[in-house]
Amino acid sequence: AQSVAQPEDQVNVAEGNPLTVKCTYSVSGNPYLFWYVQYPNRGLQFLLKYITGDNLVKGSYGFEAEFNKSQTSFHLKKPSALVSDSALYFCAVRDSGRDSNYQLIWGAGTKLIIKP
Amino acid sequence: KAGVTQTPRYLIKTRGQQVTLSCSPISGHRSVSWYQQTPGQGLQFLFEYFSETQRNKGNFPGRFSGRQFSNSRSEMNVSTLELGDSALYLCASTSGLLGTQYFGPGTRLLVL
Repeated sequence: AQSVAQPEDQVNVAEGNPLTVKCTYSVSGNPYLFWYVQYPNRGLQFLLKYITGDNLVKGSYGFEAEFNKSQTSFHLKKPSALVSDSALYFCAVRDSGRDSNYQLIWGAGTKLIIKP
Repeated sequence: KAGVTQTPRYLIKTRGQQVTLSCSPISGHRSVSWYQQTPGQGLQFLFEYFSETQRNKGNFPGRFSGRQFSNSRSEMNVSTLELGDSALYLCASTSGLLGTQYFGPGTRLLVL
């Protein structure tokens, strides 16, 4: 069965420090992986995705994510955190295999708090 | 291109009533998905429509239903509202089966 795990409910980082938000997944075929961000009382905004190719994917607002097939992970990273990065982050995966129903499976979300 | 639009943005209903929410996808997108988001339960998948057909369905009771029209606009209906239906309802559209989902701002429903 397909699944996504975001093992941390909350991540606290000091402004200016690097940040990592973790995501691991399980699919039977090749994964299509996504990161979204949600600010308070807003819809989800697309940050970046991995489909194929280079394992390091760059996205909006200076975020990047690294696809690691052997560890089935897709961690979100940023070299220097900003207070404005404080938000709720969601990881999602879609199984692109032929037998898949292509449904997007979501993690539970990680609350990122950046302290000045 | 205009983004995904949802109407209404806010809604207050009482228990037992029914409600219909509307979603207009990005032009050219044929897939629309609906989610319920509550503080305690996170993002819960309701259903997905593609070319007017329901392709996937989450684990919600039959009180929750949806449909998609030939212009890809979608509606979801909740009948016999319960207090626990109070939530942010999000709609997302996708250009194809494997594409990126783009979200609307959501409809916040409060059931009293």
